[in-house]
Amino acid sequence: EAGVAQSPRYKIIEKRQSVAFWCNPISGHATLYWYQQILGQGPKLLIQFQNNGVVDDSQLPKDRFSAERLKGVDSTLKIQPAKLEDSAVYLCASSDQHTDTQYFGPGTRLTVL
Amino acid sequence: AQTVTQSQPEMSVQEAETVTLSCTYDTSESDYYLFWYKQPPSRQMILVIRQEAYKQQNATENRFSVNFQKAAKSFSLKISDSQLGDAAMYFCAYRSTSGSRLTFGEGTQLTVNP
Repeated sequence: EAGVAQSPRYKIIEKRQSVAFWCNPISGHATLYWYQQILGQGPKLLIQFQNNGVVDDSQLPKDRFSAERLKGVDSTLKIQPAKLEDSAVYLCASSDQHTDTQYFGPGTRLTVL
Repeated sequence: AQTVTQSQPEMSVQEAETVTLSCTYDTSESDYYLFWYKQPPSRQMILVIRQEAYKQQNATENRFSVNFQKAAKSFSLKISDSQLGDAAMYFCAYRSTSGSRLTFGEGTQLTVNP
């Protein structure tokens, strides 16, 4: 079974630029999560999708972050414009309705200069 | 809101020995889930073990076991016969039964010395 795929693995941008991350969950997993992990901290949930609908985006900075999950499969997380404090690892995870265990992708390390 | 605390930023253990990582949490709920995740340098979070709060029996997965003390809101991870491949950052996480969000602790960096 293929795991959660994410791209790119690394991204370096300057502040005020835009960036997008892509996630492909495990086949059949209805729930998809985006987490932000700042260096030295545990991951923090940004947004959760159930199929293509948003379940929880209470901790998403909506003035600069946006996410979508078209057709209930792949998802894209966008930051526009980026700030220095957005430097972090962005983790995508997915889970199925039976076990509800979250499986994580390898993450994208974003550096904002 | 639930909080998870890992009071040991770093731990070390000799290969083949046993180490225990600590975790405490705060919640007003009676039913919930607790997890330990491992994050090696590759950054991919790997589930180590899971515990349902309504189960009194401590979860075990091979060399990994937990000591779940519900009244004390404590959830420690014991790694027996430590191996070099166990070296990683370990995160304790909480999930309510009413939602899927994981709340993570700050992590404990485990070093395994040969």
